[in-house]
Amino acid sequence: DAGVIQSPRHEVTEMGQEVTLRCKPISGHNSLFWYRQTMMRGLELLIYFNNNVPIDDSGMPEDRFSAKMPNASFSTLKIQPSEPRDSAVYFCASSLAWTGGVEAFFGQGTRLTVV
Amino acid sequence: QKEVEQNSGPLSVPEGAIASLNCTYSDRGSQSFFWYRQYSGKSPELIMSIYSNGDKEDGRFTAQLNKASQYVSLLIRDSQPSDSATYLCAVEQAGRRALTFGSGTRLQVQP
Repeated sequence: DAGVIQSPRHEVTEMGQEVTLRCKPISGHNSLFWYRQTMMRGLELLIYFNNNVPIDDSGMPEDRFSAKMPNASFSTLKIQPSEPRDSAVYFCASSLAWTGGVEAFFGQGTRLTVV
Repeated sequence: QKEVEQNSGPLSVPEGAIASLNCTYSDRGSQSFFWYRQYSGKSPELIMSIYSNGDKEDGRFTAQLNKASQYVSLLIRDSQPSDSATYLCAVEQAGRRALTFGSGTRLQVQP
């Protein structure tokens, strides 16, 4: 069974350019999360969706960041314009929300470098 | 105060010993608690979940939860060099169906 699939695995871009990160959640999962990991700040939740609807985007750092989930099998995180401080590893995770806990499974991540 | 706190380590234990990893959280309404393992350059991997007070065992791993003290721990018995990784504590806070992570504890198991 395929896990969470992210693309690209690595992205190097110049400051000011638009960056789009992509995620395919595990089939059947109805919650999707975007996290960012840096040495300084650890693993931070940016936004999460439930049944394709954005529920909490309070972690999105600025208006330069946007996320969409047009259907149950695809989500994007876009940064426009990108800045060097956006350099980080971006993880997508998915889970099957139930009345119990949120057991989230992570993709391999996208390592973003903005120069 | 951070929402989920862990000692960053490194915690160094000899092979075969018990490794004890600790985590405290600030939201008293939190209901679900998780431990993830993250190898260098890899993604976090779920290894344990615990929802009620007490102990939960899975192979060499035991998770312990004390909601009154707002404390979660992970014990790794018979530690192996392959257990060397960063262990992340994650908490599902009340009213938020998403996980808040601690900064992680780096574990080193010495052969």
